[in-house]
Amino acid sequence: ETGVTQTPRHLVMGMTNKKSLKCEQHLGHNAMYWYKQSAKKPLELMFVYNFKEQTENNSVPSRFSPECPNSSHLFLHLHTLQPEDSALYLCASSPTGWAQYFGPGTRLLVL
Amino acid sequence: AQSVTQPDIHITVSEGASLELRCNYSYGATPYLFWYVQSPGQGLQLLLKYFSGDTLVQGIKGFEAEFKRSQSSFNLRKPSVHWSDAAEYFCAVGGNTGNQFYFGTGTSLTVIP
Repeated sequence: ETGVTQTPRHLVMGMTNKKSLKCEQHLGHNAMYWYKQSAKKPLELMFVYNFKEQTENNSVPSRFSPECPNSSHLFLHLHTLQPEDSALYLCASSPTGWAQYFGPGTRLLVL
Repeated sequence: AQSVTQPDIHITVSEGASLELRCNYSYGATPYLFWYVQSPGQGLQLLLKYFSGDTLVQGIKGFEAEFKRSQSSFNLRKPSVHWSDAAEYFCAVGGNTGNQFYFGTGTSLTVIP
């Protein structure tokens, strides 16, 4: 248990659906991250927030929309996804940017 | 280009045997190096990290890693493996921005009795 929680843990959605992933940490960390983990591929950094401000967007398609309303919560809004977006989506937080504490992930399946 | 290579996709060891997981990196500046472990259904847990100083670093769960600049390697070792060590292990390299991590594709470890 790292102190980073993610909901839901599993999600199945159609390509026309809209859904949101939630990440929460009460560790007092200032930085929060979204990663995508696909089989046989390195983890892909998607978004970074520092003090609620987005500082990184690694060429992520606009069908993924992050939101960071406060330093404890991070959302990933999903709409009109493609089957290739099926993956494990990991949230992480960090006090410094170095030691990243990961949540358990949301397993997403797009049909 | 920045990258991390974990040449072993899958390793099987007997319980009580020693373990070494390989990691090679390519990075244009001073590397900051990390090892993470991921158990089934879980997120990644930081095992250890190297920033500078002593090239042999100790981590949690009895793991250690050695930074060898000349070989661009950061191999993970454990003298005696326990069944609970079965998991996926990821090596990562980062820079001084703190926000950019480059992960390897992981090594899956199976421990047999």
